[in-house]
Parts: sequence; structure tokens; C-alpha cells
Amino acid sequence: DQQVKQNSPSLSVQEGRISILNCDYTNSMFDYFLWYKKYPAEGPTFLISISSIKDKNEDGRFTVFLNKSAKHLSLHIVPSQPGDSAVYFCAASDFGNEKLTFGTGTRLTIIP
Amino acid sequence: DVKVTQSSRYLVKRTGEKVFLECVQDMDHENMFWYRQDPGLGLRLIYFSYDVKMKEKGDIPEGYSVSREKKERFSLILESASTNQTSMYLCASSFAKQPGSEAFFGQGTRLTVV
Repeated sequence: DQQVKQNSPSLSVQEGRISILNCDYTNSMFDYFLWYKKYPAEGPTFLISISSIKDKNEDGRFTVFLNKSAKHLSLHIVPSQPGDSAVYFCAASDFGNEKLTFGTGTRLTIIP
Repeated sequence: DVKVTQSSRYLVKRTGEKVFLECVQDMDHENMFWYRQDPGLGLRLIYFSYDVKMKEKGDIPEGYSVSREKKERFSLILESASTNQTSMYLCASSFAKQPGSEAFFGQGTRLTVV
């Protein structure tokens, strides 16, 4: 049972435009959400996180939005740059459980 | 600079061999994890350790075991490697009791079982 879902396996965006990556979850106990970025042949690196007491968190070009009622979060990257081309994973955890549950990933390609 | 180091980038092993994947972290993290990454399946948790000699099964522990004798080192063991264990293996670590604490990952080990 996939508790964290990324329904778009891939996404292509023109350089300079906005990239929007989506993530849905089913476990209502999740209260922290994280986004990771992964280049080929490297480990994932942390990008940005949000706790369930917030609905938005911003860090430079990256913004994460959380809609608890819809059990949905999204990552906005603006403006998109060629170096943003990577696989993006969303992940979730709950307070009593320190394991991260990951989604299946979305491959983002930025077109110059 | 924080570091999680996996002993091998690439490994090729034969079916039936016992395989050891080693991971070392230098951040004094309590938690350590082993994930595998497969196309279309994302990262799936194999085992998790929250303290020395402590371990918990993740979502797909079958065919694997782990060892944590020292805080900084977490080993994944494939008792008898099979071709369906061909995958990218990722080790990670994080601080305990810090909700939402990010996990730091190693560079990954690409294991091929032939």
C-alpha cells in the first residue's frame, strides 16, 4: 500500500518557467513532509520541508505548499534552471515514527 | 561537512553469495536506515536502527539482515543474494527525537546479482 504517491513519473518545463511537482498521501498521522532531489548515481539530498502546522514554506526559489484537508503537497520551483533537472522525491513522517516514507519520484527535465 | 559513506559504489555478486554493504556516518546520528531504490517504486525502507544493537524491520526486510555494533556503522547483509536483489542501495542517517529531521544519504551502492 503506497502511503505517499507521486502520480507524475516525469515532467518537462521550459527554463525560466515554474515547475510544480505534486505529492499525495493517505496516512493522516503524517505531520512532517520533506522534498529530496536526486541526481543519477548520487544519494538524495534534502531540499525543503514543512510541518503540518504550516501551509507554506519558502526557501529561495523553492516553495512547498501543504493542503492537509486534501492530503496533498506540492513543490514549486521558480524560475526553473537547467541544474534543477533531477528526480524529486517527497517523503513523510509522523511524530512517533522517525522513519521517512518516500514517494515513487518525479523526473523533472528543464528544457533550455 | 556532514558525511555518510558507503563502502562501494558498484558491486557485482553471484547468486547465492553472502553480501555485505557497509555504511559509516560521521555526524553522531542515532538513527540509521537502509533503503533500496528501484524504477517506478521509489525508495523503500529495508531496515532501520535507532541505537546500537537495535533494529526494526522496514517495509521489505525479507532476504536481508542488518548489524549495528557501533553508533557510526550500519551494515546490510544479503544472506544469499538473488537476482531480484539487483538494485541501488542507499544508506541514510538522522538525529533521533527531532520531528521532521532530515535524513542524510550516502552516495549509493549499485548492486548487480548475476
